[in-house]
Amino acid sequence: GAGVSQSPSNKVTEKGKDVELRCDPISGHTALYWYRQSLGQGLEFLIYFQGNSAPDKSGLPSDRFSAERTGGSVSTLTIQRTQQEDSAVYLCASSFRQGSGNTIYFGEGSWLTVV
Amino acid sequence: DAKTTQPTSMDCAEGRAANLPCNHSTISGNEYVYWYRQIHSQGPQYIIHGLKNNETNEMASLIITEDRKSSTLILPHATLRDTAVYYCIVRVGRRGGSEKLVFGKGTKLTVNP
Repeated sequence: GAGVSQSPSNKVTEKGKDVELRCDPISGHTALYWYRQSLGQGLEFLIYFQGNSAPDKSGLPSDRFSAERTGGSVSTLTIQRTQQEDSAVYLCASSFRQGSGNTIYFGEGSWLTVV
Repeated sequence: DAKTTQPTSMDCAEGRAANLPCNHSTISGNEYVYWYRQIHSQGPQYIIHGLKNNETNEMASLIITEDRKSSTLILPHATLRDTAVYYCIVRVGRRGGSEKLVFGKGTKLTVNP
């Protein structure tokens, strides 16, 4: 079946603008994750959604970052008033319900460049 | 914080087995060991995972020591396309809580012709 789908694949935006990044998880997956990876750096956890539970927002770097997941499927990551340090690839991942034995699958990411 | 320790880099000859070690001395009984790899900042690709027993799939084998404090990922016949950063991750299972993967630095594997 289809994997995790992210859009846009590439986005160039001006400093101070808002951006929205979209993630379509694998069908039937109830757990959804957002990570980001700056150039040459490791993966940094941002936020986790599981079903109707309150999301784990512990990784969001500032209040300019927010995410929502509507209808338990598609998720949108919003970055307000973008800064140059926000330039990174933003990766979405999903897994079939919770449980550490359930594999997490990643999308190919959305490359964000703030100029 | 990542709960695993991996060598920064390794080299392997094409066609030979690549053995990537990982230490996870603080692993708990309900924590799985996962391996992912990442090529040129593409999305991480799932390889294999295990809890106690050794595991094998079409990509690799995972050998977990009896005390579960370390493991080895084995790529039986490495190819040039296996050049990537390999991440060993311990994932906690906590019902009702976040079960995110915490990535460390990984091992940069270079497969040489």
